[in-house]
Amino acid sequence: QVQLQQSGPGLVKPSETLSLTCSVSGGSISTYYWSWIRQPPGKGLEWIGHIYYTGSTNYNPSLKSRVTMSVDTPKNQFFLKLSSVTAADTAVYYCARSGDRTYDLWAGYYRLAFDIWGQGTMVTVSS
Amino acid sequence: DIVMTQSPDSLAVSLGERATINCKSSQSVLYSSNDKNYLAWYQQKPGRPPKVLIYWASDRESGVPDRFSGSGSGTDFTLTISSLQAEDVAVYYCQQYYSTPPTFGQGTKVEI
Repeated sequence: QVQLQQSGPGLVKPSETLSLTCSVSGGSISTYYWSWIRQPPGKGLEWIGHIYYTGSTNYNPSLKSRVTMSVDTPKNQFFLKLSSVTAADTAVYYCARSGDRTYDLWAGYYRLAFDIWGQGTMVTVSS
Repeated sequence: DIVMTQSPDSLAVSLGERATINCKSSQSVLYSSNDKNYLAWYQQKPGRPPKVLIYWASDRESGVPDRFSGSGSGTDFTLTISSLQAEDVAVYYCQQYYSTPPTFGQGTKVEI
């Protein structure tokens, strides 16, 4: 059974870079799409971007200039970096998988619905 | 971006009664070529990540009780809980994956 385990600091200073890791267990990272999604306190969900095991990425245009995602396939991990953070970036950050049920047979690739989620990491941006 | 709007923002339903949540997209999420609606529903309980309930507007995820059902097409969708149980108290989100970026509704809080 695939599980996602997140790690990373819960406090980041303004203007610095937020860095999070998502470790995949119970399955290989070398399939599917892997996303980061965030949720400000008491608010809704915002997709940040996704990465494929090849390193191919797609970011939300609203955050694109500040986001970098990467993957380490031997370690079965993928990563999020968000630069120049402000208080508006305070949120619970989730990693998530787009798995078999999201495969679009007609298009020939996975679609961005999310079947497995990490536990979430509350990141506060504050000095 | 496709804007997803849910209604109501919250609702209170008696145990055993039906709960109905609506979701409207700012443009169609129906792909005419394959006749599929690119719409998912999630349940989120406090302090927990969202859990997917429904894919493709009406396909229940494995293990999800059959009291949860999804319907609709094009721009208008509904999540129905046929007989509300205490464990169904949560916030429910719809999400489109027709185009990038995928976007979520604002959420509907279901209470007893």
